[in-house]
Amino acid sequence: DVKVTQSSRYLVKRTGEKVFLECVQDMDHENMFWYRQDPGLGLRLIYFSYDVKMKEKGDIPEGYSVSREKKERFSLILESASTNQTSMYLCASSSGQINNSPLHFGNGTRLTVT
Amino acid sequence: AQRVTQPEKLLSVFKGAPVELKCNYSYSGSPELFWYVQYSRQRLQLLLRHISRESIKGFTADLNKGETSFHLKKPFAQEEDSAMYYCALGTSGSRLTFGEGTQLTVNP
Repeated sequence: DVKVTQSSRYLVKRTGEKVFLECVQDMDHENMFWYRQDPGLGLRLIYFSYDVKMKEKGDIPEGYSVSREKKERFSLILESASTNQTSMYLCASSSGQINNSPLHFGNGTRLTVT
Repeated sequence: AQRVTQPEKLLSVFKGAPVELKCNYSYSGSPELFWYVQYSRQRLQLLLRHISRESIKGFTADLNKGETSFHLKKPFAQEEDSAMYYCALGTSGSRLTFGEGTQLTVNP
């Protein structure tokens, strides 16, 4: 069974801090994704990666960056956290073609920016 | 651009009643459609995909290209079906786009 692990379940950070959200998958998946989940807005794609050192912007990349130095790890970085980035962040991975391969999600990181 | 719309944010039914969660999409090409589900305190997981044409936990969904819909149906809802449901669209050369989600509550 695919395991996608997000390092923190809850995080509280101050405005202006640099924040790192870490995600690791153990099934050698090529594709990894970061979404944010907000009530009434669903899941919105922030960034995704289809290979090591490759990254693509999603629908809402502003204020975020990512890093994929190893195949199993995909990090989301908030360069300067703001209160409007308070949200649930979900990491996911998949193999094969991005458009038709099931996503395997982590448990999520609930980030609060004060 | 691709888009997924789930018109009902909240849906409440009684146990044993039929349930239908609506999903409409906008995409001019050949779509791949999925339903994902998140039960309380669990991670988001795949429920079913249109290409499989299978029934999972009693749920089915038919892709209607003419109406650009992919509604999720179950003839007799159970309390354990209470969850958040997301419809998702995969398009050629792109990634999955999710709808806003529908919170289903099945009352005893």
